[in-house]
Amino acid sequence: DAGVTQSPTHLIKTRGQQVTLRCSPISGHKSVSWYQQVLGQGPQFIFQYYEKEERGRGNFPDRFSARQFPNYSSELNVNALLLGDSALYLCASSSEIFRDDYGYTFGSGTRLTVV
Amino acid sequence: DQQVKQNSPSLSVQEGRISILNCDYTNSMFDYFLWYKKYPAEGPTFLISISSIKDKNEDGRFTVFLNKSAKHLSLHIVPSQPGDSAVYFCAARTSGAGSYQLTFGKGTKLSVIP
Repeated sequence: DAGVTQSPTHLIKTRGQQVTLRCSPISGHKSVSWYQQVLGQGPQFIFQYYEKEERGRGNFPDRFSARQFPNYSSELNVNALLLGDSALYLCASSSEIFRDDYGYTFGSGTRLTVV
Repeated sequence: DQQVKQNSPSLSVQEGRISILNCDYTNSMFDYFLWYKKYPAEGPTFLISISSIKDKNEDGRFTVFLNKSAKHLSLHIVPSQPGDSAVYFCAARTSGAGSYQLTFGKGTKLSVIP
């Protein structure tokens, strides 16, 4: 079975630009969450979507937005990029809104560099 | 303010010995705790979890202990193997209004020396 797939793997953007990151959850998984991991820190919660509805939002500015499609894939959009947005962006999926036996399954992430 | 703290950035252990990774938290609303392992260029991989109503959970070589009064949990790996060398993240769950989110510590880099 394919795991959580994220695209692109790496990208470089310029300050002020906009970026869209994509995530395909494991087949049958209805919950998708996004996390940001800055170098030297643990992942930080950005959004959770379940059954195509936003269920939770972390402490991130409105420049960050996301959506989930009918096939449960998801996009994370970041507008007006800042240097501080440089990070590894992780997508996590789960068959339910949370699974006690494994929490979430994470993808390998998209490494975003803002210059 | 860090709600989940892993105060040891790194830990070195001899192969075959016990590895003990520690985690402290401040938020009493955390109701579930998880440990994830991360290799370079990969996403975090689930290792083991524990509910806040329990004090111990065991899975093979991995055991997690929870001390609620001290707001402390630890991960024991026995015996440690070179393949266990990775960054270990402690994560705590909060739930509310139909959402679940994880708060992670900064991680501890474990090196198991052959």
